[in-house]
Amino acid sequence: NAGVTQTPKFQVLKTGQSMTLQCAQDMNHEYMSWYRQDPGMGLRLIHYSVGAGITDQGEVPNGYNVSRSTTEDFPLRLLSAAPSQTSVYFCASSQGTYNEKLFFGSGTQLSVL
Amino acid sequence: AQSVSQHNHHVILSEAASLELGCNYSYGGTVNLFWYVQYPGQHLQLLLKYFSGDPLVKGIKGFEAEFIKSKFSFNLRKPSVQWSDTAEYFCAVNGGYNKLIFGAGTRLAVHP
Repeated sequence: NAGVTQTPKFQVLKTGQSMTLQCAQDMNHEYMSWYRQDPGMGLRLIHYSVGAGITDQGEVPNGYNVSRSTTEDFPLRLLSAAPSQTSVYFCASSQGTYNEKLFFGSGTQLSVL
Repeated sequence: AQSVSQHNHHVILSEAASLELGCNYSYGGTVNLFWYVQYPGQHLQLLLKYFSGDPLVKGIKGFEAEFIKSKFSFNLRKPSVQWSDTAEYFCAVNGGYNKLIFGAGTRLAVHP
């Protein structure tokens, strides 16, 4: 049972480049979310989804897009990377709603130069 | 907007010392509260949660937390810490429909 799988683990981008962070879960969880973790700021919610075809914005959605075409996958797209998006990104999922136990991926460390 | 404040950013303790990490939240509605922990090199994982009922909640590894509604607080405690408790601890609160809001985290270092 792999749980929540994030790829890549590390990524370096140049300003203006675009890329997609992948997130997949094999637990048939309805709820999935993306967080970014910055020193001194904890985890901030970027986007979340309560099921296939349904997404919504979190606390810091600007500069990021998401889609949820399947229950398993919830990719995060950076449209035009900026240095302010340098961070560690975590994907999480849970059965039901956010109130259930969240299962986190191992994170993606992104640097934007 | 909902928010979570963790007062201690860094805590250093010796083994066997008692631990209390503060967490305050601002949210006017019914709250669900969580503590998550991130051990070095590991995934974030749930330590304990409060939904309703007994305000004293017990979690894994001997941790407990007390919900005090009048103080909007959910402090984490452990009577005697171990070196293996070295980690970063995050308090979180439901921030409205389907949003879990985290605090800034507290880094705990326990020295043998």
